[in-house]
Amino acid sequence: ILNVEQSPQSLHVQEGDSTNFTCSFPSSNFYALHWYRWETAKSPEALFVMTLNGDEKKKGRISATLNTKEGYSYLYIKGSQPEDSATYLCAHHNTDKLIFGTGTRLQVFP
Amino acid sequence: GAVVSQHPSRVICKSGTSVKIECRSLDFQATTMFWYRQFPKQSLMLMATSNEGSKATYEQGVEKDKFLINHASLTLSTLTVTSAHPEDSSFYICSASLGGRKNIQYFGAGTRLSVL
Repeated sequence: ILNVEQSPQSLHVQEGDSTNFTCSFPSSNFYALHWYRWETAKSPEALFVMTLNGDEKKKGRISATLNTKEGYSYLYIKGSQPEDSATYLCAHHNTDKLIFGTGTRLQVFP
Repeated sequence: GAVVSQHPSRVICKSGTSVKIECRSLDFQATTMFWYRQFPKQSLMLMATSNEGSKATYEQGVEKDKFLINHASLTLSTLTVTSAHPEDSSFYICSASLGGRKNIQYFGAGTRLSVL
C-alpha cells in the first residue's frame, strides 16, 4: 500500500447501531496514525493518535485499534447517535508530515 | 483544547486578484503551521509547512510564487493566492502543531475560495 486508504467512503446507519471503518496505510516509515472527526462547517477535531502496534484507544463510545505490521487501523462507534454524523479522517504520520485518507462519511439516522 | 481560527471562511473574487487567508492559533504558540488544499472528493493535500521566522517548505508541484506563505509570529500564518485563476478555486485549510513525535495538528475551519 502506497497511499492512505479508507473504507467505506460513506456509511448510513440507524441510531443505536454499532459501526466500524477501516484505514489502511503504508507500514514503512511509520511514526503514528491519527484519527480526526470532521463535522460539516467545523474544524477537524483530533480523536486519537496511536503509535504502537496493538495500541487500542477509547473515548466514550468511540474506540480505535492499530496494527502497524500489516498497516491498518479500525475505528469503532458503539451505539451510534445522530451527533456522531461526520466525516472520519485517518492520517499516517510519515516522518514530518501527515498523509490523509479521503475519509469515511458517516450519517446516523434517528 | 487548542483553538485555531481561520479567516475568511468563504471568499469569491475575480480572476487576477490576490486573496489572503489568515490562520491564527488563539490559545497556544504553534511551532509549525501547515497549509492544505482539498479538491472535491479528494483527501487533504499538504501544500506547505511553515515555521515562524523562516521560509516555508513547499511540497512538490506547489508553486511558491503562486501561493505565498508568511509566518510572522508563533500565532499567525498567512497564505496569499496571487493572481488567482478559476483553477485555484478550492478548499484551503490550515493547521497548527506544537511539534513533538505525535505531531497532533489543530485545524482551522477552512476557506472556500471561488475565483470567477
